Amino acid sequence: EVQLVESGGGLVKPGGSLRLSCAASGFSFSSYYMNWVRQAPGKGLEWVSSISSRSSFIYYADSVKGRFTISRDNANNSLYLQMNSLRAEDTAVYYCARDRQGFTEHAPFEYWGQGTLVTVSS
Amino acid sequence: DIQMTQSPSSLSASVGDRVTITCRASQGISNFLAWYQQKPGKVPKLLIYAASTLQSGVPSRFSGSGSGTDFTLTISSLQPEDVAIYYCQKYNSVPRTFGQGTRVEIK
Repeated sequence: EVQLVESGGGLVKPGGSLRLSCAASGFSFSSYYMNWVRQAPGKGLEWVSSISSRSSFIYYADSVKGRFTISRDNANNSLYLQMNSLRAEDTAVYYCARDRQGFTEHAPFEYWGQGTLVTVSS
Repeated sequence: DIQMTQSPSSLSASVGDRVTITCRASQGISNFLAWYQQKPGKVPKLLIYAASTLQSGVPSRFSGSGSGTDFTLTISSLQPEDVAIYYCQKYNSVPRTFGQGTRVEIK
């Protein structure tokens, strides 16, 4: 069974940093692009970042470029999102999501974690 | 970047009604289009990919169509458990943008 479990969310002050983690199990982690998607309270879904299976290709939404860093550890089946210079508008539930198909970025998100809430407030 | 625009933003229909949601891409995306369902308080769920392929386990009352720039999600007979927000998403290229969502309620 595919499982994605996020952790690391919490309350942080504007300008602060936070590191999110996503522990994956039940599939060949090193074969899939992995992604972060966020959802602000009462708002829609926003794609944040994607990383290829071997970290060769990394992409960010313009809204987080230069502030967030995605990474992965295939040996430990883990995905990360380092978030720096946080702003109030970064407040959201952050989901880890796995592509439906391996080794391609041209795939929808088939599996989602339960999400972790990040609140940026003074 | 390609923009994804859904319509309507919300709708209310009776149980058993046929419901159609549209998603328009600002540029052609072939059939690299997915639909997701997010029930209240739940995680998004993949319903349809490649514009018209039903994800395993999804009821057959859901269907998708379209190619290029115009896409539709149809619920042939609305059920109470279909109350949710529905999102389209393009995945032909980065960014894998979502539409703004369509809220479906029961009248």
